[in-house]
Amino acid sequence: SQQGEEDPQALSIQEGENATMNCSYKTSINNLQWYRQNSGRGLVHLILIRSNEREKHSGRLRVTLDTSKKSSSLLITASRAADTASYFCATDAKNYGQNFVFGPGTRLSVLP
Amino acid sequence: DVKVTQSSRYLVKRTGEKVFLECVQDMDHENMFWYRQDPGLGLRLIYFSYDVKMKEKGDIPEGYSVSREKKERFSLILESASTNQTSMYLCASSLYDYGYTFGSGTRLTVV
Repeated sequence: SQQGEEDPQALSIQEGENATMNCSYKTSINNLQWYRQNSGRGLVHLILIRSNEREKHSGRLRVTLDTSKKSSSLLITASRAADTASYFCATDAKNYGQNFVFGPGTRLSVLP
Repeated sequence: DVKVTQSSRYLVKRTGEKVFLECVQDMDHENMFWYRQDPGLGLRLIYFSYDVKMKEKGDIPEGYSVSREKKERFSLILESASTNQTSMYLCASSLYDYGYTFGSGTRLTVV
């Protein structure tokens, strides 16, 4: 069964605005990751956040994790047209050990 | 720059053919994975491997097999290709529970 689920399914914003995507999951995790996928390409790892961390930053990206609510958010600040992509959260599925289960993704469109 | 290389970007095969998708990583990663990605269904795990000659079934192994004879290479085999196996196939590798490094994907069409 699916572990992580992103929300919204699609998001359209203007360049310069902030974009927030959310991920909810069902069972306890060790860590959660966010990935980006440009159209027709492989996924690129953005950030990993462990269950004992609450917030991580990487450039214009900010990820939060609330294990009590079983949710995470990805914030992209000052968005650019090049940020247009699909964004996925992935959680480790304990029955698979080091495997990660991906949500269906949020499709972000940044309009110039 | 570390890499996961998938042998083909686009592939067209006929129904019933045996199809080999190759994946090679140069990072000395223990773990390797094969996913397929379909619109509306996200990424689904087909097979994975934590070591040479080791393989484990993922969520949707039916119609597929894998081979890992060397640490750097993980092959996905479609024993008898069918039209419902038309999809984007993504290979990934990882070290322990760190982030995955993905290949660029192979878009397979079975006609």
